[in-house]
Amino acid sequence: ETGVTQTPRHLVMGMTNKKSLKCEQHLGHNAMYWYKQSAKKPLELMFVYNFKEQTENNSVPSRFSPECPNSSHLFLHLHTLQPEDSALYLCASSQVSDSLTPKLIFGQGTRLTVV
Amino acid sequence: GDSVTQMEGPVTLSEEAFLTINCTYTATGYPSLFWYVQYPGEGLQLLLKATKADDKGSNKGFEATYRKETTSFHLEKGSVQVSDSAVYFCALSPVWGNQFYFGTGTSLTVIP
Repeated sequence: ETGVTQTPRHLVMGMTNKKSLKCEQHLGHNAMYWYKQSAKKPLELMFVYNFKEQTENNSVPSRFSPECPNSSHLFLHLHTLQPEDSALYLCASSQVSDSLTPKLIFGQGTRLTVV
Repeated sequence: GDSVTQMEGPVTLSEEAFLTINCTYTATGYPSLFWYVQYPGEGLQLLLKATKADDKGSNKGFEATYRKETTSFHLEKGSVQVSDSAVYFCALSPVWGNQFYFGTGTSLTVIP
């Protein structure tokens, strides 16, 4: 399925820059997620939004700021990042309901390099 | 808390060999279980899923059976191909809520 689109696919930024990652889902889902994937580490859940409300924030540093203006769009605003923040950032969505088995649909990710 | 443990990689197999990637879980009740696959440079794609005990998920020749008694969901394929080279993630979603818990991933390389 290609219903989750992330832009940009690649991003190189300096430590003093401000940038934003964008995610859009065309699946009518009601929950959206940001994950961080670093080399040789487990997938890390960063933020969860359910019906546009943030329901999870896994102790993520404040230099990462999420925004979910509606159930189809999710942003991750970045500022004053560190080199160790270089990773693949994955957006995902799911349909959460009492009757449906949830399944996560991922975007292709944004490869972020902090220099 | 809920968690998933999967076998360490990397795994290297010859084409047409049999594949098993072990996955065990810890959870309350009957979570949903998943296998995701990640090809180089891509995001994760859902490979198969199972939602209750003894369910078998299958897709593209891969299979996994939900074993409540052993809390396992091992991934198998009878004859792997070079195109199966990827990283495979086991995951669970608890009965309630919208959380997903992933294993650390197992890298598979299939050589001709």
